[in-house]
Amino acid sequence: SQQGEEDPQALSIQEGENATMNCSYKTSINNLQWYRQNSGRGLVHLILIRSNEREKHSGRLRVTLDTSKKSSSLLITASRAADTASYFCATAFTGGFKTIFGAGTRLFVKA
Amino acid sequence: DTEVTQTPKHLVMGMTNKKSLKCEQHMGHRAMYWYKQKAKKPPELMFVYSYEKLSINESVPSRFSPECPNSSLLNLHLHALQPEDSALYLCASSQPRLAGGTSTDTQYFGPGTRLTVL
Repeated sequence: SQQGEEDPQALSIQEGENATMNCSYKTSINNLQWYRQNSGRGLVHLILIRSNEREKHSGRLRVTLDTSKKSSSLLITASRAADTASYFCATAFTGGFKTIFGAGTRLFVKA
Repeated sequence: DTEVTQTPKHLVMGMTNKKSLKCEQHMGHRAMYWYKQKAKKPPELMFVYSYEKLSINESVPSRFSPECPNSSLLNLHLHALQPEDSALYLCASSQPRLAGGTSTDTQYFGPGTRLTVL
């Protein structure tokens, strides 16, 4: 199965609300990344958090990493309609190039 | 320039055709990737090239043949594909984090090639 599992699978919120997505993984990682994908297009890198970091911020994004629970969360604050997209976590392993993507969360922000 | 370009954007081919997908980046990245993505699924890693050498082949069928002619270009040659190979094919690049390249950070993705096999 996929290294990263995400929940929820789909999330629908009103503009201005916060959106939280969670990701779990199974083995030791070098870093964990979050990507956004608009429908049928390429992925855009949002934020990377290394295994020795616990929290990271970038604009309206906040990512946490709990290596003891092998989980991460992505919080988008004050969501906008333009945030509507699929969000994927991706785990990169120590000592290799292999990156495995989670199943993704489809976020829909209603204006 | 943080752009990865892919051509063509769309490709329709028959099962007996031979075609190629192309990917190009000018960020000086020495790792390049091919992913396959089916609708409503995450990208699945197919191949990784590191310093122009094939580093990872995720047991991809031989009807997919990757090629890395130089550090900026990555091709995926297609031959005798099946309808189930229809998908979005994504190229990405990254800079190996360690000299000699054994781990990776941010990947930059191209817009993808939408492939339909009839």
